[in-house]
Amino acid sequence: DAGITQSPRYKITETGRQVTLMCHQTWSHSYMFWYRQDLGHGLRLIYYSAAADITDKGEVPDGYVVSRSKTENFPLTLESATRSQTSVYFCASSDTSITGELFFGEGSRLTVL
Amino acid sequence: KNEVEQSPQNLTAQEGEFITINCSYSVGISALHWLQQHPGGGIVSLFMLSSGKKKHGRLIATINIQEKHSSLHITASHPRDSAVYICAVLMDSNYQLIWGAGTKLIIKP
Repeated sequence: DAGITQSPRYKITETGRQVTLMCHQTWSHSYMFWYRQDLGHGLRLIYYSAAADITDKGEVPDGYVVSRSKTENFPLTLESATRSQTSVYFCASSDTSITGELFFGEGSRLTVL
Repeated sequence: KNEVEQSPQNLTAQEGEFITINCSYSVGISALHWLQQHPGGGIVSLFMLSSGKKKHGRLIATINIQEKHSSLHITASHPRDSAVYICAVLMDSNYQLIWGAGTKLIIKP
């Protein structure tokens, strides 16, 4: 199906483990974003990508790694998960430019024990 | 002080009422987004505007650049409009989005 999909939708892991959240979009949008959403905070940008092989840090990048070898995929990796990374993670994409309409995935709820 | 402030934080109204949600910001912007997040968690873009007014169905969004203020209006509100409405501004200095904390709207039948 066309659209933007995230996986897994739910994940429970332990402190210190590596976790990768996947994001796949079928529109060939140039821009892709990873946000986290926590109670008491608005959405906070972790990383974004303007095109394949181009990534940049957002507001809260520490503890996260991204890659974008293909336009359609933008995985987010927590190399050594911490409890403070328990959150809901949203992937988004945008068509023409950073000022374009945003399309969001359904979110991935991550719990770090 | 947050760069994007939404009010009210919570709003409960009866079906049919006219709803207004406000967003004020303190930075220079290129554009402002209004988004809707349903209880299930999904986020949908409603409007992106940089001036004036946009209308889509029962939803109207306005922005006043000089006053650094935007409003989202819902006419003839319905229980299915119950959601969190989020304002986000695109900063003109670095093209980063700054997000408001959201307004939780409940429409009672």
